[in-house]
Amino acid sequence: SQQGEEDPQALSIQEGENATMNCSYKTSINNLQWYRQNSGRGLVHLILIRSNEREKHSGRLRVTLDTSKKSSSLLITASRAADTASYFCATDGQGAQKLVFGQGTRLTINP
Amino acid sequence: DGGITQSPKYLFRKEGQNVTLSCEQNLNHDAMYWYRQDPGQGLRLIYYSQIVNDFQKGDIAEGYSVSREKKESFPLTVTSAQKNPTAFYLCASLPGQRGTEAFFGQGTRLTVV
Repeated sequence: SQQGEEDPQALSIQEGENATMNCSYKTSINNLQWYRQNSGRGLVHLILIRSNEREKHSGRLRVTLDTSKKSSSLLITASRAADTASYFCATDGQGAQKLVFGQGTRLTINP
Repeated sequence: DGGITQSPKYLFRKEGQNVTLSCEQNLNHDAMYWYRQDPGQGLRLIYYSQIVNDFQKGDIAEGYSVSREKKESFPLTVTSAQKNPTAFYLCASLPGQRGTEAFFGQGTRLTVV
């Protein structure tokens, strides 16, 4: 079963705008991670936020985590055409160490 | 360079054939994972292994088999029992400790012909 549900499924914005993607999950977690996938390629890790953290920044990325609502958001500021990709959240739960992925958000940045 | 390597990049299978996808890592990671990705979809977990000579079924293990005889290697066999094997397969590895990122291979695209 897929733990995360992402919203929206697809997002198209103009270059320079901010992009926000949301992820909801069902069970308790150790941490939540965001990954990026360019078409037909493997996934690349972007950022990890632990269950006791509420916000984390990395460059133009900002991640928030609300464990009471079992949700997370990824904000990409000042978007660039090169940010066009699919973005996935993944949760590491309380049991065996395994990452469970959401369906992903397809982000398109229009020049 | 340390990394995780999947081969082949493209694989074609005839109906009724078993095929094996290779995944090798030189990151000294304890845990390795196989995921399946269908077009426009997320990743679904097939099998995972946290130590050598041990592995567990994921959410969609039927029609697949794995082995973990060496720490570096986690091959996936797609058997003839898998009725719809056409998909993109991704291998990943994680260090043993929690709270670390996963590293992914570049994937194998399997097509039934």
